[in-house]
Amino acid sequence: DVKVTQSSRYLVKRTGEKVFLECVQDMDHENMFWYRQDPGLGLRLIYFSYDVKMKEKGDIPEGYSVSREKKERFSLILESASTNQTSMYLCASNLWAQGAHEQYFGPGTRLTVT
Amino acid sequence: QQQVKQSPQSLIVQKGGISIINCAYENTAFDYFPWYQQFPGKGPALLIAIRPDVSEKKEGRFTISFNKSAKQFSLHIMDSQPGDSATYFCAPTLGTNFGNEKLTFGTGTRLTIIP
Repeated sequence: DVKVTQSSRYLVKRTGEKVFLECVQDMDHENMFWYRQDPGLGLRLIYFSYDVKMKEKGDIPEGYSVSREKKERFSLILESASTNQTSMYLCASNLWAQGAHEQYFGPGTRLTVT
Repeated sequence: QQQVKQSPQSLIVQKGGISIINCAYENTAFDYFPWYQQFPGKGPALLIAIRPDVSEKKEGRFTISFNKSAKQFSLHIMDSQPGDSATYFCAPTLGTNFGNEKLTFGTGTRLTIIP
């Protein structure tokens, strides 16, 4: 059973703080993704990584960076948190099997920046 | 940016009724059409998906209908149950030969099934 875990379910940070969101998957997936989810906007891709130390920008990378030092771990970094980064953050990893493409999501981290 | 349009934004259906959620896309290169289901406090999970070489796929009470010429696909939930209450996302994708595809999520439909 694939498991994607995120380090925190809820997080409250102050404006200007550096924030780390951690994600770990246990299925040896090459691909990992960070999304943010906001009401009425769906899920928007921030960054993804298709291999260790490899990363690509998604649709909304501004204000974020990522780190992937090990295959199973993908971190999202907010260098200087701002109130408009208050959101639900979802991590996912990707399995490619014959004829199917499924992303496995973690439970999410609800980040509030005050 | 608006490659995927999902409707309705919210839907209330009587128990036992049919729930229908629609997804319209612009990118004709999309070649895999999934629906994800998300319960409160959980991440989305794949519910059902279809490839463009078929027009319909059924899994239990869930059916995807695909209209390639109209660039639309829809999710039908037959005999809707309170346990189906969740948020549903369409997420068409491309590049399926490479395994590192990006999903383009719709804005979501909050479905509520009332007794």
